[in-house]
Amino acid sequence: QLQLQESGPGLVKPSETLSLTCTVSGGSISSNDCYWGWIRQPPGKGLEWIASIYYSGSTYYNPSLNSRVTMSVDTSKKQFSLKLSSVTAADTAVYYCAREVVAAISSNWFDPWGQGTLVTVSA
Amino acid sequence: QSVLTQPPSVSGAPGQRVTISCTGSSSNIGADYDIHWYQQLPGTAPKLLIYGNYNRPSGVPDRFSGSKSGTSASLAIAGLQAEDEADYYCQSYDSSLSGVVFGGGTRLTVL
Repeated sequence: QLQLQESGPGLVKPSETLSLTCTVSGGSISSNDCYWGWIRQPPGKGLEWIASIYYSGSTYYNPSLNSRVTMSVDTSKKQFSLKLSSVTAADTAVYYCAREVVAAISSNWFDPWGQGTLVTVSA
Repeated sequence: QSVLTQPPSVSGAPGQRVTISCTGSSSNIGADYDIHWYQQLPGTAPKLLIYGNYNRPSGVPDRFSGSKSGTSASLAIAGLQAEDEADYYCQSYDSSLSGVVFGGGTRLTVL
């Protein structure tokens, strides 16, 4: 059974870079039919997709965050990572990693999700 | 303001049927991109509820059903149970934004 687990600092200072890693277990990270994504949820608010990466390293990012986001993948460690630069208090959120199943060019969904990790941006 | 619009809240009594709408546009639902639904119980991660407009993953009760028409989609929950009280999100792809989009979420209260 595929499982994902986020890890990284729970507190980041304003203007610094948020770095998170997601570890995949119980399955392959090098699947042809999926991407690996990050989604965040500010306290009390809705979900926002951040970015996704294919095992080959191909990425696509949310245009609203594009200039600050970098994703990478390490297939040998079965991990993929997120870096979000120049953070502000508005970046405080629970960050989830998830497998993005791509069934067709017009159909992609997230399953399963990690449990999420709260990242607070504060001095 | 989310690209996909959902009502902030819906409610129903146990045993009743409720529907949650998800309204998009010609660059997402109307462009024939599929809609997917997630259930988020309090304090937990979202869980896939419906994929590909109307398909249920293994383990999801058939009380949950999805539909899509034009630029809108709906999630229906029949025979409401107390355990259905949660936040529900729709998700699709938007060609104008070239990315994944979520609805703002709907809180379901079981009276």
